[in-house]
Amino acid sequence: KAGVTQTPRYLIKTRGQQVTLSCSPISGHRSVSWYQQTPGQGLQFLFEYFSETQRNKGNFPGRFSGRQFSNSRSEMNVSTLELGDSALYLCASSLGLARETQYFGPGTRLLVL
Amino acid sequence: AQSVTQLGSHVSVSEGALVLLRCNYSSSVPPYLFWYVQYPNQGLQLLLKYTSAATLVKGINGFEAEFKKSETSFHLTKPSAHMSDAAEYFCAVNDNFNKFYFGSGTKLNVKP
Repeated sequence: KAGVTQTPRYLIKTRGQQVTLSCSPISGHRSVSWYQQTPGQGLQFLFEYFSETQRNKGNFPGRFSGRQFSNSRSEMNVSTLELGDSALYLCASSLGLARETQYFGPGTRLLVL
Repeated sequence: AQSVTQLGSHVSVSEGALVLLRCNYSSSVPPYLFWYVQYPNQGLQLLLKYTSAATLVKGINGFEAEFKKSETSFHLTKPSAHMSDAAEYFCAVNDNFNKFYFGSGTKLNVKP
């Protein structure tokens, strides 16, 4: 099976812009979770989507949003970018049942100038 | 509430030496515990997973972890470190609602 894919892999934006990141889960997986990883804060959970519905949410401002499509692909959007949004954004997919393993994609490296 | 504590943000061992990475968890329900490894500029890769079937869990690349309920620990070990083991390691707990809680990570350095 193909693994989790994320596009783009690298992105450079300027403050105030918005960005959309994409994640394609492993075939058959219905849950997609998003994480932000920075050197200072480590791995922080953004949100999880299951069957097109947001099921879990972390403590991020409303500028961070996401959605999931019927084929389980997910997008994450960040509006009004700030310098502090520079990070590695990781997507993980799973079957979505309780306590299932999450499988991670390679991440999207976002740099905000 | 669930939480994970990894003691030591950086661990350095010599090639061939024992690797011990510490993880303590807090969970209000019987935990499912995971260890992931991250190589530079890559995503997280599953090393092993504890699901209550056995307290000693063997993973990939010669790693194993032992679940100790009395100590609320799930330490990761490898008898003999290899240069290729240099990476960052994350311990995580999964609750009943498919939400993962990750530790802050431990960077392993392997000296020749």
